[in-house]
Amino acid sequence: DGGITQSPKYLFRKEGQNVTLSCEQNLNHDAMYWYRQDPGQGLRLIYYSQIVNDFQKGDIAEGYSVSREKKESFPLTVTSAQKNPTAFYLCASSISAYSTDTQYFGPGTRLTVL
Amino acid sequence: ELKVEQNPLFLSMQEGKNYTIYCNYSTTSDRLYWYRQDPGKSLESLFVLLSNGAVKQEGRLMASLDTKARLSTLHITAAVHDLSATYFCAVDRSYNTDKLIFGTGTRLQVFP
Repeated sequence: DGGITQSPKYLFRKEGQNVTLSCEQNLNHDAMYWYRQDPGQGLRLIYYSQIVNDFQKGDIAEGYSVSREKKESFPLTVTSAQKNPTAFYLCASSISAYSTDTQYFGPGTRLTVL
Repeated sequence: ELKVEQNPLFLSMQEGKNYTIYCNYSTTSDRLYWYRQDPGKSLESLFVLLSNGAVKQEGRLMASLDTKARLSTLHITAAVHDLSATYFCAVDRSYNTDKLIFGTGTRLQVFP
């Protein structure tokens, strides 16, 4: 079955630690995205990648980093510079960044800072 | 800066009733998306609206787009409990990218 997987489902981080969230897709999509969702709010774009080995900052990139070494994978690192990282993180992909196709979302990772 | 506003933010409605959720956006865009999110879950795509006057229907949900008014509506017909969820609209902020701006969501609760 084609889809987007994210791991882990739940993640606990101590202050000062970097953590990496995994996102993998087997839909053969070119574009991938990372969003953050805070309780009772909509999604905000952290980073996006339109093609392998290229990515751009979204609206709230500070304290986060990404890589796109393979088409299927777009991991997100939450660094210690992110002051308030507790949130629900959603990865998405679409056929291409220039298409009118919808974005498909993974199941999400809930990050909590202890 | 593109802003997307939804109203109401919370909607409690009785089964069998009809209601409309509104999505207003502040700058020109020809692409609007509706998503559904169940509590603690990911987002599920409902509709993609690509042109002025576009109307799409799936079951008890119907979405429409008026690009001149910068308004989309999600109409619920004869609500059932299974429709209880949070509904988001999202607007493409640029013609040649797929960068979406999401509304804050409308939490729908359908009771017997």
